[in-house]
Amino acid sequence: DAKTTQPTSMDCAEGRAANLPCNHSTISGNEYVYWYRQIHSQGPQYIIHGLKNNETNEMASLIITEDRKSSTLILPHATLRDTAVYYCIVRVDQGGSEKLVFGKGTKLTVNP
Amino acid sequence: DTAVSQTPKYLVTQMGNDKSIKCEQNLGHDTMYWYKQDSKKFLKIMFSYNNKELIINETVPNRFSPKSPDKAHLNLHINSLELGDSAVYFCASSKEVKGLNQPQHFGDGTRLSIL
Repeated sequence: DAKTTQPTSMDCAEGRAANLPCNHSTISGNEYVYWYRQIHSQGPQYIIHGLKNNETNEMASLIITEDRKSSTLILPHATLRDTAVYYCIVRVDQGGSEKLVFGKGTKLTVNP
Repeated sequence: DTAVSQTPKYLVTQMGNDKSIKCEQNLGHDTMYWYKQDSKKFLKIMFSYNNKELIINETVPNRFSPKSPDKAHLNLHINSLELGDSAVYFCASSKEVKGLNQPQHFGDGTRLSIL
């Protein structure tokens, strides 16, 4: 079972920031938070990941609360192409290989 | 310049047949995976291989047999196909770096439909 909870769906206006929340209250100290997204009919795409500190890359920013029980993915200027299902995942280790446990995700719709 | 490529993209076949899906990655990664996404859109891991060795096998029926001829390829063979096998199958790969989390890169999926 996924160790995260996310809203089922969200809407955002094109050009605005999209803030996608995720709760992971049972996260362990050495578990990372990963974000992936799946645009319709495509494979999941890696966005960003973090452990404790806030992270930023060319796609998004990740804000993790100090207690690490929740995080927010920020798309600073959402475009229509950002419409997708966004998955917040806590990385589970198994035998040294990375196992991703996907939940239901948040369906983000960016409106013109 | 596709990083993780799967073939075929679409596969329509009769119940009871045997079929294979191929996956190749040109990223130099050590670990490859198969995931299944069912009609309700849940993505679940099936297998992972690290340098041709099976690492994860998630309670998948024996009819599914992954084969890794080398670390750049992970094929999925399915015997005696059943209606419930209809799904999208995604291949993924990641680099194995001790102590460092590495993201997985996914292919675009193989849409399997059983008639």
